[in-house]
Amino acid sequence: DTGVSQNPRHKITKRGQNVTFRCDPISEHNRLYWYRQTLGQGPEFLTYFQNEAQLEKSRLLSDRFSAERPKGSFSTLEIQRTEQGDSAMYLCASSFTRDPSTEAFFGQGTRLTVV
Amino acid sequence: AQTVTQSQPEMSVQEAETVTLSCTYDTSENNYYLFWYKQPPSRQMILVIRQEAYKQQNATENRFSVNFQKAAKSFSLKISDSQLGDTAMYFCAFIPSNTGKLIFGQGTTLQVKP
Repeated sequence: DTGVSQNPRHKITKRGQNVTFRCDPISEHNRLYWYRQTLGQGPEFLTYFQNEAQLEKSRLLSDRFSAERPKGSFSTLEIQRTEQGDSAMYLCASSFTRDPSTEAFFGQGTRLTVV
Repeated sequence: AQTVTQSQPEMSVQEAETVTLSCTYDTSENNYYLFWYKQPPSRQMILVIRQEAYKQQNATENRFSVNFQKAAKSFSLKISDSQLGDTAMYFCAFIPSNTGKLIFGQGTTLQVKP
């Protein structure tokens, strides 16, 4: 297993376009998280899944954002009608079990630039 | 509100010296979990050390140790014998009990100088 994989690594898009990111967690990890990180700041929680169920969404996740995790495996994060303020690094992480102390493993992120 | 504050945006240390990164947090929970994560330039975030709030003993992992003061809601990270590979951004984070999400601080950029 090569860890959490995110694609693409970089995405440049024009304002108003839709973008979709993919995250492949470590196999057998039942929890998957999305975070957003702007330059020089700490990651901010967006949403998380346990298996295929989306259990929590941050108020940061506006109606333009949608995340899915069909069949409890990979996940996609879609941003519709992108805005310049959406420019950030989008991080995915996965973990196993319900124990909150379990280590979350992070991917390398997708850096989105909206021009 | 549940927040994490790292008051040192940038720090530097000479190789082989010891450095301490500060972190304070705010929560009304009694049971929670604290973490320090390291994010090297252009690389993914990795776990450095974790602490369970109900454990009084401070966690240690090789050259990394924490000073956990629950009453003061303080969770500092000490790096001994600093190495060039320790250069990275360090994030303090916690998970409130029964949730999976990490709440991160703003980060401290650590530079280890040869």
